[in-house]
Amino acid sequence: DAGVTQSPTHLIKTRGQQVTLRCSPISGHKSVSWYQQVLGQGPQFIFQYYEKEERGRGNFPDRFSARQFPNYSSELNVNALLLGDSALYLCASSLDRGGFWEAFFGQGTRLTVV
Amino acid sequence: EDKVVQSPLSLVVHEGDTVTLNCSYEVTNFRSLLWYKQEKKAPTFLFMLTSSGIEKKSGRLSSILDKKELSSILNITATQTGDSAIYLCAETSYDKVIFGPGTSLSVIP
Repeated sequence: DAGVTQSPTHLIKTRGQQVTLRCSPISGHKSVSWYQQVLGQGPQFIFQYYEKEERGRGNFPDRFSARQFPNYSSELNVNALLLGDSALYLCASSLDRGGFWEAFFGQGTRLTVV
Repeated sequence: EDKVVQSPLSLVVHEGDTVTLNCSYEVTNFRSLLWYKQEKKAPTFLFMLTSSGIEKKSGRLSSILDKKELSSILNITATQTGDSAIYLCAETSYDKVIFGPGTSLSVIP
C-alpha cells in the first residue's frame, strides 16, 4: 500500500508568487491535515479537511487556503508568498473525523521563497 | 492560547542509557496527547494518550499521561543509535492540534 504522497518534493518560488502543494492520502483515509514546519520547530497546524469540508484551522493568514477533492486528495495554496513561508509543508492522513489520532505523514514539500 | 512545552530541547546519551522526555500542555477542550518520532522528514506515530488511556508501552518505549499535572513523559530504555531523532509531542482538541518544539535525542555508541 502506498503511504501518503506529496508533490512536489522541493520547490523554489519568488516573493509575491503563488504556490500549490498536493497531497494524496492513504487509500481509505478520509481526513487530511496540513502542517508547516520551520527548521528547529515542531509542525504548526494549518488545516484539517474531512469529507471535503474544512474541520479545523490553525492561526494562519488568509493567504493560506486548501481544499479536498472527492477522491480525498488535497491541495494547499499559498498566495503572495513571503520569505517567512519558507518551510517544510507536511500533509497527514487518517481514517476518521477529528483524525489527529494515528495520523500518517507524508515526506513533505520543502518550499524555499527567495 | 494553548501551548505545548517540551524538555529538554536536546539530549545526548550513550547507547544503553535510559532517557525520559517531558511534555507539558495547556488544556482547552483537551482530547489527546500524541507522541511522534521524526528522523528525517515524516514524523511517525508512537503513542496516543487520552483520559481513558493514560499509559502505553511498546517495546523499549513507554509513555504516561498525568492529567492532574497536564504533562506526559516518554521513556526509552536501553537506547540504541537508531533512537536518534526528534521526538515531538502534540496536544489535540476537537478541531486543532498543537505540537511542541521537539526534543532532539542523539544516542552515541
